[in-house]
Amino acid sequence: DIQMTQSPSAVSASVGDRVTITCRASQGISNYLVWFQQQPGKVPKRLVYAASSLQGGVPSRFSASRSGTEFTLTINSLQPEDVATYYCLQHDTFPWTFGQGTRVEI
Amino acid sequence: EVQLVQSGPEVKKPGESLRISCQSSGYNYIKYWIAWVRQMPGKGLEWVGVIYPGDGDTRYGPAFQGQVTMSADKSRDTAFLQWSSLTASDTAMYYCARADGSGFSFQFDSWGQGTLVAVSS
Repeated sequence: DIQMTQSPSAVSASVGDRVTITCRASQGISNYLVWFQQQPGKVPKRLVYAASSLQGGVPSRFSASRSGTEFTLTINSLQPEDVATYYCLQHDTFPWTFGQGTRVEI
Repeated sequence: EVQLVQSGPEVKKPGESLRISCQSSGYNYIKYWIAWVRQMPGKGLEWVGVIYPGDGDTRYGPAFQGQVTMSADKSRDTAFLQWSSLTASDTAMYYCARADGSGFSFQFDSWGQGTLVAVSS
């Protein structure tokens, strides 16, 4: 099974800071990676698909990239509404697997 | 508009059976997979499995194989997740989501509101 190692597990930052979250796949998954945001008490919401394509309506301060088996989600200029837990998911090979999640606090 | 509407919260006793549902609308139901995701209290997201309503093909996560059963009713555009004998460790929120087997654009783009399952004696 493909393991997705997500880091950090939690980050505390200030409004306006840049936050970077990483997911590393245990083997190649091409661009079969999705990023989700789950705000407290809410349903998860897709932010990014195909590793770097931003979902429509997602603020442009969010961006994502891939380098080999390492995937990065960046929040530029953190806002209060970005307080949430962020997850990656690989869907290259069954069983699909989530990262452990990164809690972002202000 | 794509919508996935899940059945309501459930309170069950250990050993009881349960089936929860996820009804889809706004798209061609048999062209996409339906994924199920578990979130235990205070924990992260876990991939339960996916079902392709077009032919009933199912894939399960290792922790869920043999523990749950996914099914789909094409006539009602509805997917189901069922347990034959619940345990306290099944207590969680369960989400369904639209999935795209080999594609990108529609992968987990729409989610149900979640069904809370509580198992307690």
